[in-house]
Amino acid sequence: AQSVTQLGSHVSVSEGALVLLRCNYSSSVPPYLFWYVQYPNQGLQLLLKYTSAATLVKGINGFEAEFKKSETSFHLTKPSAHMSDAAEYFCAVSDTGRRALTFGSGTRLQVQP
Amino acid sequence: DAGVIQSPRHEVTEMGQEVTLRCKPISGHDYLFWYRQTMMRGLELLIYFNNNVPIDDSGMPEDRFSAKMPNASFSTLKIQPSEPRDSAVYFCAGNRGDTEAFFGQGTRLTVV
Repeated sequence: AQSVTQLGSHVSVSEGALVLLRCNYSSSVPPYLFWYVQYPNQGLQLLLKYTSAATLVKGINGFEAEFKKSETSFHLTKPSAHMSDAAEYFCAVSDTGRRALTFGSGTRLQVQP
Repeated sequence: DAGVIQSPRHEVTEMGQEVTLRCKPISGHDYLFWYRQTMMRGLELLIYFNNNVPIDDSGMPEDRFSAKMPNASFSTLKIQPSEPRDSAVYFCAGNRGDTEAFFGQGTRLTVV
């Protein structure tokens, strides 16, 4: 069975500061890992994905994530937060056997001016 | 491409009524997923289809819920009878093979 744990339901950073959102996964087979962002009253938009190619994955809006198998982690980072980054972020896992996504509980990012 | 289209965007209904949510996936996507989002349970998978065939419906909460995909361009999620605890945002999503899932804007259902 797959599962995802996101540490911290709320993260607050100052504009220009580093953003770090944590995600740990559990999967019995090589996983596909995703980060999605959800703005208020919107659907989910893909930020980036890992599908067993490069372990450092770059996404949209300056975000990146590193797949670390030894730590079963896929943390999301951005060097400098922008006010427009305020949203809810979801980590998700799937695999070739089960295409449906299993989501973490989400992390709400606040960006302070 | 217009993306995944869900209708209606908002639905308010009385307890006991039948509710039908609709989804038009992106052309060429062979997987279609229905998710439900609530504050208490987060994002949870209800059911998914591959090539219009239901693959896993273990997330459908009760027999009151049913989903169909009569063709590659249309799917419905029906709740009959609806209850207040069904109030949630329902998302439809799709993908092709190993690509990422594309989500619709969701239907916000309120059962009063």
